[in-house]
Amino acid sequence: EVQLLESGGGLVQPGGSLRLSCAASGFTFSNYAMGWVRQSPGRGLEWVSGISGGGDATYYADSVKGRLTMSRDNSKNTLYLQMNSLRAEDTGKYYCARAQRGWFQSLFSYYFDYWGQGLLVTVSS
Amino acid sequence: QSVLTQPPSVSAAPGQKVTISCSGSTSNIGNNYVSWYQQLPGTAPKLLIFDNDKRPSWIPDRFSGSKSGTSATLGITGLQTGDEADYYCESWDSTLSVVVFGGGTKLTVL
Repeated sequence: EVQLLESGGGLVQPGGSLRLSCAASGFTFSNYAMGWVRQSPGRGLEWVSGISGGGDATYYADSVKGRLTMSRDNSKNTLYLQMNSLRAEDTGKYYCARAQRGWFQSLFSYYFDYWGQGLLVTVSS
Repeated sequence: QSVLTQPPSVSAAPGQKVTISCSGSTSNIGNNYVSWYQQLPGTAPKLLIFDNDKRPSWIPDRFSGSKSGTSATLGITGLQTGDEADYYCESWDSTLSVVVFGGGTKLTVL
């Protein structure tokens, strides 16, 4: 059974830092790209970042570029999101998710087939 | 404002059919696949449809997806009160090189 368990959320002051972790089990972690998706209170889903299976390629939304860094340790089956220079607008629930991606018939497919339960990050003074 | 446009809400009676639209552009839906997610209140999103019209094995065939040009549609038949949720479309945007979501549609089963 695929499981994704996030940890590390909490309350932080503006300008502060947090590191989120996501422990994966039930599948060969290094074979899959992963992503972080967040949801501000009462709002929709926003993709934050993505990483390749080997960890050599990362992608970020413009809103977090330069402040958030995604990484992974395949020996520990764990995904990370280092969050620096946090702002009030970073407040929300953060989900880690397993990504499926690839080219089929000249079109690109990218979707998330399993999600963690999410954890709350609150940026406030 | 989301890159993909969805109606904020739809409603229908139990047993009826409803469709939810998702409009994008040639940068995303027009030249990439679309997926759909269901988010029940207080829970994490769950994959409903991927690659425009494919269902994971755990999703009943009451749920269907289609795509035409730069728009996609999620269909739900035989509505149940348990289908009340927020529904999101998603695609890859080739110009921005990011994943994009629709703003979400709240389904009410009257």
